[in-house]
Amino acid sequence: NAGVTQTPKFRILKIGQSMTLQCTQDMNHNYMYWYRQDPGMGLKLIYYSVGAGITDKGEVPNGYNVSRSTTEDFPLRLELAAPSQTSVYFCASVQRGRGYTFGSGTRLTVV
Amino acid sequence: GESVGLHLPTLSVQEGDNSIINCAYSNSASDYFIWYKQESGKGPQFIIDIRSNMDKRQGQRVTVLLNKTVKHLSLQIAATQPGDSAVYFCAEILEIQGAQKLVFGQGTRLTINP
Repeated sequence: NAGVTQTPKFRILKIGQSMTLQCTQDMNHNYMYWYRQDPGMGLKLIYYSVGAGITDKGEVPNGYNVSRSTTEDFPLRLELAAPSQTSVYFCASVQRGRGYTFGSGTRLTVV
Repeated sequence: GESVGLHLPTLSVQEGDNSIINCAYSNSASDYFIWYKQESGKGPQFIIDIRSNMDKRQGQRVTVLLNKTVKHLSLQIAATQPGDSAVYFCAEILEIQGAQKLVFGQGTRLTINP
């Protein structure tokens, strides 16, 4: 039981490049979430999913896309990377009514 | 609106002392709150939670107090240890159209002095 696994751990992108941040969980949780955390700040919700095939926008969705084709995987896509997307990205999953489980994060720098 | 804020961004305490971290929330409809600990370079780690039908909940060396009248909650850590040094976040669960959203506050950095 690995919990929530995120890859890669670190990445440097050039402006305009694209990439996919991977997130997978092996707990059969229905709910999955993507957050970003800027330095000295709390986590802001980008997108979330209540189950396979269902996704919805959070507080800061602009510049990102997600998909949820399986219960286990919830990838986050950046199509045209911008410096404002430099941040640490966390994926989380939860079984309703219980505490959230977070991945270890992906540190992204856009130069 | 959706906001959870903290009163103090930093807190330093002596090892062995008790610490109290405070948090204010704005949504009176929130019924579930969680405290997280985040160590450098790691994701948030669940510490303790509390539902709105309770005003106090205790765990191992930690206690969370909820005052719904003033929309305030606090995290008390007893007999602090060096390993307690971290950033602590309070978070509230908002139920929106049948889906849960976890909304975080800014965080308080707790430093334990030897």
